Amino acid sequence: EIVMTQSPLSLPVTPGEPASFSCRSSQSLLHRNGYNYLDWYLQKPGQSPQLLIYLASNRAPGVPDRFSGSGSGTEFTLTINRVEAEDVGTYYCMQALHTPRFSFGPGTKVEI
Amino acid sequence: QVQLVQSGTAMKRPGASVRLSCKASGYFFADYTLHWLRQAPGQRLEWVGWINAGNGNTKFSERFQDRVSITGDTHATTVYLEVRGLRSEDTAVYFCARETAVVMAPTPMGIGYWGQGTLVTVSS
Repeated sequence: EIVMTQSPLSLPVTPGEPASFSCRSSQSLLHRNGYNYLDWYLQKPGQSPQLLIYLASNRAPGVPDRFSGSGSGTEFTLTINRVEAEDVGTYYCMQALHTPRFSFGPGTKVEI
Repeated sequence: QVQLVQSGTAMKRPGASVRLSCKASGYFFADYTLHWLRQAPGQRLEWVGWINAGNGNTKFSERFQDRVSITGDTHATTVYLEVRGLRSEDTAVYFCARETAVVMAPTPMGIGYWGQGTLVTVSS
């Protein structure tokens, strides 16, 4: 079983300031095709999750360019270069390499 | 536009079964994989299983594979999740969600479309 961890679990942020948080996998998520099978999702309060980043660094369609993903292997980072009030919620990383069991981290709760 | 509309809230007794539905629209149903995931109160998301909507092949998390089944109806463009032998720990919001990329895509592109979620409460 792949274990996903995230830090911090809670992050107070200030609008207009940058924010970043981390995700770690217990096994490498680097596929032989050169891509890292790591996605980031945001779940706003009371809503379904929404895809932000796929394959570690690719923004999903419609996602603002203030969001960026980086990392490889077992260490990944999501960065918001200027936080906006609408960015509050819980950010989850998910590994999609070691299927059929996709697994999520515990989430980083971002609050203003 | 892509829509996934799930069935309504369910309340069940321990030991019962529940069948949830997810009606898909706005795209060619058979070209995509659909997932079922769940989220217990205050907990992280948990993947339950998936179905290739085109050929009906399924895969499950080993945590659930003896208690769950996923089926699809291509005519109704609907997928179903059945959970048997319900326990209080199965109380959760269950989501259906669709892969962004088609089944035959060379690389995945995340789970880009989500239903609104269905609350299942298991209590005596």
